Amino acid sequence: QKEVEQDPGPLSVPEGAIVSLNCTYSNSAFQYFMWYRQYSRKGPELLMYTYSSGNKEDGRFTAQVDKSSKYISLFIRDSQPSDSATYLCATVAGTASKLTFGTGTRLQVTL
Amino acid sequence: DTAVSQTPKYLVTQMGNDKSIKCEQNLGHDTMYWYKQDSKKFLKIMFSYNNKELIINETVPNRFSPKSPDKAHLNLHINSLELGDSAVYFCASSQTYTGQMNTEAFFGQGTRLTVV
Repeated sequence: QKEVEQDPGPLSVPEGAIVSLNCTYSNSAFQYFMWYRQYSRKGPELLMYTYSSGNKEDGRFTAQVDKSSKYISLFIRDSQPSDSATYLCATVAGTASKLTFGTGTRLQVTL
Repeated sequence: DTAVSQTPKYLVTQMGNDKSIKCEQNLGHDTMYWYKQDSKKFLKIMFSYNNKELIINETVPNRFSPKSPDKAHLNLHINSLELGDSAVYFCASSQTYTGQMNTEAFFGQGTRLTVV
């Protein structure tokens, strides 16, 4: 069983829809949570990161963490075709440098 | 003005060959990484170097040998390539702050390795 589980998709939504992407993790030592976006044939780029349980908003993106249930989410409002990419959740334990990634969810936003 | 650059971008080679992938970052970061992404997009850390010292070495076959000549460079040499080594290899870098989590890793564009 992987330490971070993520539905691989693909997830296809129409433009303007609200998208919900989710991950679960098993290691209670994980303290920091990140979402990376990866376009086809490109490297991942950091979208958002959060430390505490609760919500963090940045424009159309909201990251949500529930440490009690070990559940992390990314919501995308008013989705655009340019949001079509693979979204990877990632976690880190303490001050360790190692990012542990989920398998990624491929999102397709259609016109 | 690329932050983390890898060469080559594509590499096709025969089984049994030895190959190297080079990585350079111009962000002034002190920590560099190699990650492997398989065909299902799963991204897994292989190595991490901090100030030229190896700090993370996951269970990777010893055919893989990283080398960091200085803080800005981390190369990956692979001996006796096998079919299962086919994947996309990503270099990344980040800045480590004492006692703090370093959250943002900047990734290169990846090297798509195909072993035939």
